[in-house]
Amino acid sequence: AQKVTQAQTEISVVEKEDVTLDCVYETRDTTYYLFWYKQPPSGELVFLIRRNSFDEQNEISGRYSWNFQKSTSSFNFTITASQVVDSAVYFCALSEALGNDMRFGAGTRLTVKP
Amino acid sequence: GAGVSQSPSNKVTEKGKDVELRCDPISGHTALYWYRQSLGQGLEFLIYFQGNSAPDKSGLPSDRFSAERTGGSVSTLTIQRTQQEDSAVYLCASSSRIIGPGEQYFGPGTRLTVT
Repeated sequence: AQKVTQAQTEISVVEKEDVTLDCVYETRDTTYYLFWYKQPPSGELVFLIRRNSFDEQNEISGRYSWNFQKSTSSFNFTITASQVVDSAVYFCALSEALGNDMRFGAGTRLTVKP
Repeated sequence: GAGVSQSPSNKVTEKGKDVELRCDPISGHTALYWYRQSLGQGLEFLIYFQGNSAPDKSGLPSDRFSAERTGGSVSTLTIQRTQQEDSAVYLCASSSRIIGPGEQYFGPGTRLTVT
Protein backbone atom coordinates (compact mmCIF):
# COMPACT_ATOMS: atom_id res chain seq x y z
CA ALA A 1 0.00 0.00 0.00
CA GLN A 2 1.19 3.48 -0.75
CA LYS A 3 1.13 6.29 1.77
CA VAL A 4 2.39 9.86 1.95
CA THR A 5 3.00 11.67 5.22
CA GLN A 6 3.44 15.40 5.56
CA ALA A 7 3.99 15.79 9.26
CA GLN A 8 3.98 19.59 9.23
CA THR A 9 0.41 20.78 9.22
CA GLU A 10 1.21 24.48 9.24
CA ILE A 11 4.39 26.51 8.95
CA SER A 12 4.72 30.24 9.36
CA VAL A 13 7.85 32.15 8.34
CA VAL A 14 8.85 35.73 7.75
CA GLU A 15 9.66 36.85 4.24
CA LYS A 16 13.19 36.02 3.06
CA GLU A 17 13.53 33.09 5.41
CA ASP A 18 14.29 29.67 3.97
CA VAL A 19 11.74 26.96 4.67
CA THR A 20 11.72 23.20 4.14
CA LEU A 21 8.55 21.17 3.75
CA ASP A 22 8.91 17.52 4.65
CA CYS A 23 7.47 14.57 2.80
CA VAL A 24 7.89 10.92 3.72
CA TYR A 25 6.40 8.15 1.62
CA GLU A 26 5.76 4.43 1.74
CA THR A 27 5.49 2.08 -1.19
CA ARG A 28 6.28 -1.52 -2.01
CA ASP A 29 7.04 -0.75 -5.62
CA THR A 30 10.56 -0.20 -6.86
CA THR A 31 9.29 2.06 -9.63
CA TYR A 32 7.24 5.03 -8.57
CA TYR A 33 6.84 8.75 -9.07
CA LEU A 34 6.81 11.59 -6.60
CA PHE A 35 5.18 14.95 -7.09
CA TRP A 36 4.76 18.30 -5.41
CA TYR A 37 1.74 20.51 -6.01
CA LYS A 38 0.95 24.01 -4.78
CA GLN A 39 -2.59 25.07 -3.91
CA PRO A 40 -2.72 28.86 -3.52
CA PRO A 41 -5.67 30.60 -1.86
CA SER A 42 -7.43 30.69 -5.23
CA GLY A 43 -7.79 26.93 -4.86
CA GLU A 44 -6.43 25.55 -8.13
CA LEU A 45 -3.62 23.04 -7.72
CA VAL A 46 -0.46 23.83 -9.62
CA PHE A 47 2.06 21.18 -10.62
CA LEU A 48 5.59 21.89 -9.39
CA ILE A 49 7.71 18.81 -10.00
CA ARG A 50 7.67 15.11 -10.91
CA ARG A 51 10.50 12.80 -9.93
CA ASN A 52 10.85 9.10 -10.73
CA SER A 53 12.32 6.63 -8.29
CA PHE A 54 15.44 6.02 -10.34
CA ASP A 55 16.53 9.62 -10.37
CA GLU A 56 17.89 10.70 -7.01
CA GLN A 57 19.52 13.85 -8.25
CA ASN A 58 18.43 16.91 -6.40
CA GLU A 59 16.69 19.52 -8.46
CA ILE A 60 16.76 23.28 -8.29
CA SER A 61 14.36 25.61 -10.03
CA GLY A 62 14.88 29.22 -9.09
CA ARG A 63 14.14 29.56 -5.39
CA TYR A 64 12.73 26.04 -5.22
CA SER A 65 14.77 22.92 -4.61
CA TRP A 66 13.93 19.30 -3.92
CA ASN A 67 15.91 16.70 -2.02
CA PHE A 68 15.02 13.10 -2.87
CA GLN A 69 16.53 10.45 -0.60
CA LYS A 70 15.45 6.85 -1.16
CA SER A 71 17.36 5.71 1.92
CA THR A 72 14.96 7.64 4.14
CA SER A 73 11.96 7.56 1.74
CA SER A 74 11.81 11.30 1.75
CA PHE A 75 11.22 13.94 -0.88
CA ASN A 76 11.61 17.29 0.84
CA PHE A 77 10.93 20.68 -0.70
CA THR A 78 12.87 23.83 0.18
CA ILE A 79 11.94 27.39 -0.67
CA THR A 80 14.85 29.78 -0.42
CA ALA A 81 14.26 33.43 0.42
CA SER A 82 10.52 32.92 0.78
CA GLN A 83 8.07 35.51 -0.48
CA VAL A 84 4.51 36.36 0.48
CA VAL A 85 3.33 34.87 -2.83
CA ASP A 86 4.65 31.50 -1.69
CA SER A 87 1.83 31.33 0.85
CA ALA A 88 -0.22 28.29 -0.08
CA VAL A 89 -0.94 24.71 0.83
CA TYR A 90 1.69 22.38 -0.56
CA PHE A 91 0.95 18.75 -1.31
CA CYS A 92 3.36 15.91 -1.81
CA ALA A 93 2.03 12.96 -3.81
CA LEU A 94 3.09 9.46 -4.82
CA SER A 95 2.05 7.36 -7.78
CA GLU A 96 3.17 3.81 -8.40
CA ALA A 97 4.26 3.14 -11.96
CA LEU A 98 1.46 0.72 -12.74
CA GLY A 99 -1.11 2.37 -10.53
CA ASN A 100 -3.83 4.71 -11.63
CA ASP A 101 -4.31 6.77 -8.53
CA MET A 102 -2.08 9.39 -7.03
CA ARG A 103 -1.86 9.28 -3.26
CA PHE A 104 -1.63 12.74 -1.73
CA GLY A 105 -0.35 13.77 1.65
CA ALA A 106 -2.56 15.87 3.89
CA GLY A 107 -0.71 19.02 2.85
CA THR A 108 1.33 21.67 4.62
CA ARG A 109 -0.07 25.16 4.90
CA LEU A 110 2.74 27.68 4.48
CA THR A 111 2.20 31.27 5.52
CA VAL A 112 4.86 33.78 4.62
CA LYS A 113 4.49 37.04 6.50
CA PRO A 114 5.88 40.32 5.20
CA GLY B 1 -4.35 26.90 -24.40
CA ALA B 2 -7.43 26.20 -22.32
CA GLY B 3 -6.96 24.39 -19.06
CA VAL B 4 -9.25 21.96 -17.30
CA SER B 5 -12.69 23.44 -16.69
CA GLN B 6 -15.35 22.30 -14.27
CA SER B 7 -18.97 23.24 -13.80
CA PRO B 8 -20.72 24.35 -11.78
CA SER B 9 -18.19 26.13 -9.59
CA ASN B 10 -20.57 25.91 -6.65
CA LYS B 11 -23.53 23.64 -6.01
CA VAL B 12 -25.85 23.68 -3.03
CA THR B 13 -28.30 20.80 -2.85
CA GLU B 14 -30.68 19.27 -0.37
CA LYS B 15 -29.94 15.97 1.23
CA GLY B 16 -31.34 13.14 -0.85
CA LYS B 17 -31.14 14.90 -4.20
CA ASP B 18 -28.93 13.79 -7.08
CA VAL B 19 -26.18 16.02 -8.47
CA GLU B 20 -24.06 15.99 -11.62
CA LEU B 21 -20.64 17.57 -11.82
CA ARG B 22 -18.97 18.17 -15.14
CA CYS B 23 -15.32 18.19 -16.20
CA ASP B 24 -13.80 19.30 -19.50
CA PRO B 25 -10.20 18.08 -19.68
CA ILE B 26 -7.38 19.61 -21.66
CA SER B 27 -7.76 18.73 -25.32
CA GLY B 28 -5.69 15.69 -26.22
CA HIS B 29 -5.22 14.46 -22.66
CA THR B 30 -6.16 10.81 -22.51
CA ALA B 31 -6.15 10.41 -18.74
CA LEU B 32 -8.82 11.96 -16.51
CA TYR B 33 -9.08 11.79 -12.75
CA TRP B 34 -11.68 12.77 -10.16
CA TYR B 35 -10.68 13.61 -6.59
CA ARG B 36 -12.53 14.81 -3.52
CA GLN B 37 -11.06 17.33 -1.12
CA SER B 38 -12.84 17.75 2.17
CA LEU B 39 -12.31 20.89 4.23
CA GLY B 40 -8.69 21.12 5.35
CA GLN B 41 -7.89 17.66 4.03
CA GLY B 42 -5.74 16.23 1.30
CA LEU B 43 -7.07 14.84 -1.93
CA GLU B 44 -8.93 11.56 -2.03
CA PHE B 45 -8.77 9.64 -5.31
CA LEU B 46 -12.19 8.68 -6.68
CA ILE B 47 -11.96 7.39 -10.25
CA TYR B 48 -9.61 7.28 -13.23
CA PHE B 49 -10.27 7.12 -16.97
CA GLN B 50 -7.64 6.32 -19.58
CA GLY B 51 -8.64 6.45 -23.22
CA ASN B 52 -11.24 3.83 -24.05
CA SER B 53 -10.19 1.45 -21.28
CA ALA B 54 -12.51 0.47 -18.46
CA PRO B 55 -12.26 3.07 -15.68
CA ASP B 56 -10.57 2.40 -12.37
CA LYS B 57 -13.40 2.92 -9.88
CA SER B 58 -11.50 1.69 -6.86
CA GLY B 59 -11.71 5.03 -5.05
CA LEU B 60 -15.46 5.58 -5.23
CA PRO B 61 -16.70 5.65 -1.62
CA SER B 62 -20.11 4.08 -2.24
CA ASP B 63 -22.44 2.91 -4.99
CA ARG B 64 -24.13 6.31 -4.85
CA PHE B 65 -21.14 7.64 -6.77
CA SER B 66 -20.67 7.00 -10.49
CA ALA B 67 -18.87 8.63 -13.36
CA GLU B 68 -18.74 8.41 -17.09
CA ARG B 69 -16.62 9.84 -19.82
CA THR B 70 -18.17 10.35 -23.21
CA GLY B 71 -16.13 10.26 -26.38
CA GLY B 72 -12.93 10.15 -24.41
CA SER B 73 -13.33 13.78 -23.44
CA VAL B 74 -15.96 15.31 -21.13
CA SER B 75 -16.64 13.51 -17.88
CA THR B 76 -19.60 13.64 -15.51
CA LEU B 77 -19.49 12.62 -11.87
CA THR B 78 -22.91 11.76 -10.47
CA ILE B 79 -23.78 11.51 -6.81
CA GLN B 80 -27.16 10.01 -6.08
CA ARG B 81 -29.16 10.57 -2.91
CA THR B 82 -26.60 13.04 -1.59
CA GLN B 83 -25.65 13.00 2.09
CA GLN B 84 -24.17 15.76 4.20
CA GLU B 85 -20.84 13.94 4.33
CA ASP B 86 -20.63 14.33 0.53
CA SER B 87 -20.00 18.05 1.04
CA ALA B 88 -16.53 18.75 -0.34
CA VAL B 89 -14.68 20.23 -3.28
CA TYR B 90 -14.64 17.84 -6.20
CA LEU B 91 -11.56 18.23 -8.37
CA CYS B 92 -10.97 16.96 -11.85
CA ALA B 93 -7.54 16.56 -13.41
CA SER B 94 -6.27 15.47 -16.78
CA SER B 95 -2.92 14.18 -17.89
CA SER B 96 -1.10 13.23 -21.06
CA ARG B 97 0.23 10.07 -19.54
CA ILE B 98 3.15 8.80 -21.60
CA ILE B 99 5.58 6.70 -19.60
CA GLY B 100 4.45 6.32 -16.03
CA PRO B 101 2.14 8.78 -14.30
CA GLY B 102 2.38 12.19 -15.85
CA GLU B 103 1.83 15.48 -14.14
CA GLN B 104 -1.83 16.20 -13.66
CA TYR B 105 -3.46 19.49 -14.52
CA PHE B 106 -6.26 20.36 -12.18
CA GLY B 107 -9.47 22.24 -12.72
CA PRO B 108 -10.76 24.85 -10.28
CA GLY B 109 -13.11 22.36 -8.65
CA THR B 110 -16.79 22.24 -7.82
CA ARG B 111 -17.69 23.10 -4.24
CA LEU B 112 -20.62 20.89 -3.26
CA THR B 113 -22.66 21.72 -0.18
CA VAL B 114 -25.36 19.32 0.94
CA THR B 115 -27.84 20.88 3.35
